[in-house]
Amino acid sequence: QVQLQESGPGLVKPSQTLSLTCNVSGVSITSGSWYWSWIRQPAGKGLEWIGRIYTSGISNYNPSLKSRVTISLDTSKSQFSLKLTSVTAADTAVYYCARWYSSSWYRYFDSWGQGTLVTVSS
Amino acid sequence: DIQMTQSPSSLYASVGDRVTITCQASQGISNYLNWYQQKPGKAPKLLIYDVSILERGVPSRFSGSGSGTDFSVTISSLQPEDFATYYCQQYDNLPYTFGQGTKLEIK
Repeated sequence: QVQLQESGPGLVKPSQTLSLTCNVSGVSITSGSWYWSWIRQPAGKGLEWIGRIYTSGISNYNPSLKSRVTISLDTSKSQFSLKLTSVTAADTAVYYCARWYSSSWYRYFDSWGQGTLVTVSS
Repeated sequence: DIQMTQSPSSLYASVGDRVTITCQASQGISNYLNWYQQKPGKAPKLLIYDVSILERGVPSRFSGSGSGTDFSVTISSLQPEDFATYYCQQYDNLPYTFGQGTKLEIK
């Protein structure tokens, strides 16, 4: 049973870099037809896909955030990470890591972390 | 980006009611549409994928339908545990996008 767990600072100052890590357990992060993703949700609002990374290291980002986002994979630690630079209050949200299952027929987010609240404030 | 518009944004209903939530895409997305259920303080949970296939463990009172730009999820007889927020999500094109959510509340 796969488990994902986010970790990182809950408070980030404006203009600084938000850094989060997602620890993956229960499966090999390098196997299977999976993309490892980040999604965020401002309080009381909907879900925004931030980006994803495949086991090969190839990544895709939401164009709205692309200039500020980097997602990386550390296979030795079974983790993947999110860096978001030059943050503002608009980046305050609950950040989720999630697994995107991809097959020839079906694709979906099948596993999620519990989410971590990141507040951008001085 | 493909915009996903859900209606209604909120819905009041009673246990036993039949309810339908709709989701409209700004362009055709074939059948590349999933539904998620989210309860307060929790991560979303996959409910339905590929428009109409129930995730394992999801009760048969849930059903999904649609194609192209118009989709819906129906709960045939609401149970207390169904009161939550529901999101549709398209995966026809990157970036993946979600509807704004439909909050299902007890009347």
